[in-house]
Amino acid sequence: TQLLEQSPQFLSIQEGENLTVYCNSSSVFSSLQWYRQEPGEGPVLLVTVVTGGEVKKLKRLTFQFGDARKDSSLHITAAQPGDTGLYLCAGGGLLRADYKLSFGAGTTVTVRA
Amino acid sequence: DADVTQTPRNRITKTGKRIMLECSQTKGHDRMYWYRQDPGLGLRLIYYSFDVKDINKGEISDGYSVSRQAQAKFSLSLESAIPNQTALYFCATSGGGADTQYFGPGTRLTVL
Repeated sequence: TQLLEQSPQFLSIQEGENLTVYCNSSSVFSSLQWYRQEPGEGPVLLVTVVTGGEVKKLKRLTFQFGDARKDSSLHITAAQPGDTGLYLCAGGGLLRADYKLSFGAGTTVTVRA
Repeated sequence: DADVTQTPRNRITKTGKRIMLECSQTKGHDRMYWYRQDPGLGLRLIYYSFDVKDINKGEISDGYSVSRQAQAKFSLSLESAIPNQTALYFCATSGGGADTQYFGPGTRLTVL
């Protein structure tokens, strides 16, 4: 049983459309990270959120941490083929940092040109 | 040059063979991790080490062992490989007060 549930598992959209990926848990995390992984490579950090209700923007990507620090979302505006990849959320230690991460199963995003 | 390197990148072996996967890092981080990735299951922690003398089991350590030869090197061994250990294996590091982990490029292991 995974601590973090991601949805949807797969997402295929046309270039220019918007998309949202969700990461939910019944546990409270000290931080929540989003990684992107491309084929043949390891995951690469996109963002870390640590405060309940926090919103961070990275160009066309918007990340939100839930008020109770149990869930997060990733929204991509006007998706481009370069956004294609596996998106993984990862929770830091429960309640406080313990330098271990719990990963969700991932969302595979395909953006068609 | 990559900060976290893994060797080999691909390996095909037979059931019962002993296999070692190696990880090296130039980031100067104290903390190192080994994960396996399976479709639909995400990354699962096998072992982790917070310094050379500190090694801990993760959630799926059965059938695996590790060695922290130096701050920069962390090896994963499969003493007697079995087919359900076929997976992508990743090494990662982290350092300082942050949770952020930096991953190597992965090793694709196939056990026949």
